[in-house]
Amino acid sequence: GAGVSQSPSNKVTEKGKDVELRCDPISGHTALYWYRQRLGQGLEFLIYFQGNSAPDKSGLPSDRFSAERTGESVSTLTIQRTQQEDSAVYLCASSQQGVLSGANVLTFGAGSRLTVL
Amino acid sequence: DAKTTQPNSMESNEEEPVHLPCNHSTISGTDYIHWYRQLPSQGPEYVIHGLTSNVNNRMASLAIAEDRKSSTLILHRATLRDAAVYYCILRGGADGLTFGKGTHLIIQP
Repeated sequence: GAGVSQSPSNKVTEKGKDVELRCDPISGHTALYWYRQRLGQGLEFLIYFQGNSAPDKSGLPSDRFSAERTGESVSTLTIQRTQQEDSAVYLCASSQQGVLSGANVLTFGAGSRLTVL
Repeated sequence: DAKTTQPNSMESNEEEPVHLPCNHSTISGTDYIHWYRQLPSQGPEYVIHGLTSNVNNRMASLAIAEDRKSSTLILHRATLRDAAVYYCILRGGADGLTFGKGTHLIIQP
């Protein structure tokens, strides 16, 4: 697609429920990134995928958070047993990965706003 | 990734140039200097990046000090739409960008 697409754009859920957030990266982008941004706060890096593999999962806040990517395309971020502190905008980004990794540019989606009541 | 230091906020007038500074004294030889901005209620967007030489694109210019320990993002003619948080980030590898607090740019009409 033309850009990074995220769904749902807004999600309201009750504490204790599970939620799934979806990211469709730009076609051909091999790297995919998830970030979290709480209201009025900075961006918090969660996880990134190179292809379908996640080299570093240490940014995930707790074991209630998990992410997967299939077909080097769509990624899903799953939050189990949601808590009120999970309320935030979850942002996805993708990039091409060339030899000069530091030069690669990230393109962000519009985000999924999660509200846990 | 090495750390960057930016002013918390800056203010400028519409249609005037804006110079946003960034210090990165611990930059390594392979780190690229990236600038992103985040407009209110939107995801971050790429502005510009460079390694050693100054760079120009349709959005801005990036001036990099000769020792690479600092850089300046230049908006040649600010508009109200340029009001955003601007992030200066060093990137040496394929892992995720580490966003700091950035500079909140306020544009006065």
